[in-house]
Amino acid sequence: DQQVKQNSPSLSVQEGRISILNCDYTNSMFDYFLWYKKYPAEGPTFLISISSIKDKNEDGRFTVFLNKSAKHLSLHIVPSQPGDSAVYFCAAQHRGSYIPTFGRGTSLIVHP
Amino acid sequence: NAGVTQTPKFQVLKTGQSMTLQCAQDMNHNSMYWYRQDPGMGLRLIYYSASEGTTDKGEVPNGYNVSRLNKREFSLRLESAAPSQTSVYFCASTLGALMNTEAFFGQGTRLTVV
Repeated sequence: DQQVKQNSPSLSVQEGRISILNCDYTNSMFDYFLWYKKYPAEGPTFLISISSIKDKNEDGRFTVFLNKSAKHLSLHIVPSQPGDSAVYFCAAQHRGSYIPTFGRGTSLIVHP
Repeated sequence: NAGVTQTPKFQVLKTGQSMTLQCAQDMNHNSMYWYRQDPGMGLRLIYYSASEGTTDKGEVPNGYNVSRLNKREFSLRLESAAPSQTSVYFCASTLGALMNTEAFFGQGTRLTVV
């Protein structure tokens, strides 16, 4: 049973517009959430994270929002750039194990 | 700073052959992980090592064994490869099992079993 779900396998946006990637989780023990970016033939790299004590974390063009009551988080990329085209993985961890649990990923394509 | 290094990058095996995937990290991390990535399935945890001297099964451990050789190295062994083990394998490490930090990944090993 998937504990971290990314229900959109792919997303296509125009350069300069906002990209919104969504993630839902089922385990209420998760208290730390991360987004990773993966280019073809490379390993995933860390992008941004958020602790459950916050509802928003911003880093340049990237903002992650957390809605604990809905067990939902989203990654906003503004403005989107062609270099943002990659697969984005949502991951969650909790104090009991700290083992990253990943969603299935969303492939983002940003068109020039 | 190399980070997490995996070898080999590519491998083709025949069904029934064995091989070991090597992983080493130079960040003095305590915890290490092996994931496999399959189309539409995301990253699934095979085995992990919370600290030197310990290993535990993840979500999909069948057909694999691991060894935490020392703090730096964590290897994954396929004793008798099967076509279902065709996948991309990623090794990762984190600072420790007692704190929330990001994972660092190797570049992956693309394994094909024919």
